[in-house]
This record gives sequence, structure tokens and C-alpha cells, in this order.
Amino acid sequence: IAGITQAPTSQILAAGRRMTLRCTQDMRHNAMYWYRQDLGLGLRLIHYSNTAGTTGKGEVPDGYSVSRANTDDFPLTLASAVPSQTSVYFCASSTSGTDTQYFGPGTRLTVL
Amino acid sequence: GQNIDQPTEMTATEGAIVQINCTYQTSGFNGLFWYQQHAGEAPTFLSYNVLDGLEEKGRFSSFLSRSKGYSYLLLKELQMKDSASYLCAVMDSNYQLIWGAGTKLIIKP
Repeated sequence: IAGITQAPTSQILAAGRRMTLRCTQDMRHNAMYWYRQDLGLGLRLIHYSNTAGTTGKGEVPDGYSVSRANTDDFPLTLASAVPSQTSVYFCASSTSGTDTQYFGPGTRLTVL
Repeated sequence: GQNIDQPTEMTATEGAIVQINCTYQTSGFNGLFWYQQHAGEAPTFLSYNVLDGLEEKGRFSSFLSRSKGYSYLLLKELQMKDSASYLCAVMDSNYQLIWGAGTKLIIKP
């Protein structure tokens, strides 16, 4: 692995289903982030983690949860998906919470 | 509220120079970032400015004026591969990135 990986690449999901988007980095970065990107809008921060064991809420956290059990992994869970959560989801990481962020390839999620 | 403004779309000719502007109003300022994003791909880091002035990196330069809440990205000797969206982002007082919607740059031969 080199950098950040995300899985799945894309997913179509029925409304009401639970879904976990996976994110793994091998750069030993302390900070990790989840964003969503919607047409015509800037990237919006969902949740972040400045170090393993801690998480924080971003601009649009409702309907999403995260955990950070170790340095490498930062999964994002949709407990009960709704159509408004249709989006492209990007995971990112940085050395610390104040440094340049580097992005994974993204997950395209469609909720029907 | 916090706001980042940049033009939605710009068109330029291969070999020419283009300037993409970004104005911002944020609660605090801890640096301004420019990213490039090709269609269907992830954003990739281009430049970072925290002090006023020009930062040059090959064909790309980025300028910052903190007093004016203004930055621009200058792309020289445009190539077809420069066709992409360019994202401006400001790190606010909480060290969170506030993102503009991006400028789609179309390069014509």
C-alpha cells in the first residue's frame, strides 16, 4: 500500500441500510478526515480525528459516525442511509491537524 | 459565516497564462491551499501560502494578500493536461479547511 486507500470504489445502497466506508493510510499520519463532495459545493468536512483514539465533528456530521482505533484506519459508518447522503466521499490524512492534507481516491455512494 | 469565492468556470488556450482568483472571509486564518482535481479523481495538493506574497513552483505560482482576503493561482504555459478543477481552501482558527466550490478550467487547443 502506498498512501491512502478507500473501499469500496462505488456502491449503490437501499435507503435504510447500514454502510461502512473504509479508509486506510500507511503514511503514519496522525490526523485523518472524512469529506463529502457534492456538485456545485465545496468539500464539506464530516468528521475528523487528530490522533488515534480521538474524533471530532465537522460541518455536516449528522447521520454519520466514525471511530479511530489505530493510526492507520478511519472507517465512516452510515447507520441508516438516506438519499441525501448520495455523494462522493473522500478520506484524507495529514501529519498533524495543521498540515497539508492528502486524499484517497474516493467512494461514490448512491442511496436509492 | 465563512465563505470562499472563486469563479465557477474559466476557459484558456494551450500555451497561454491563466489566473484563477479566490477571495475568502473566514473566522481566523492559518494558511491558504490550492488543490487540483481532475474529473473523477481525488484532489491533489498544489501550493500553500501563509505569508503575503508569491510562491512559485514550476509552471504554477500562488499569491496571497491577507489584508485583502485574496489569493490567486497562476498557471503558465498551459497544457491540455491542466484541464481540471482548481480548489481554494482556507484553514480557519480551528485548523479546519474551508473549501471553495472550485473553478473548472477548460483548455482549448
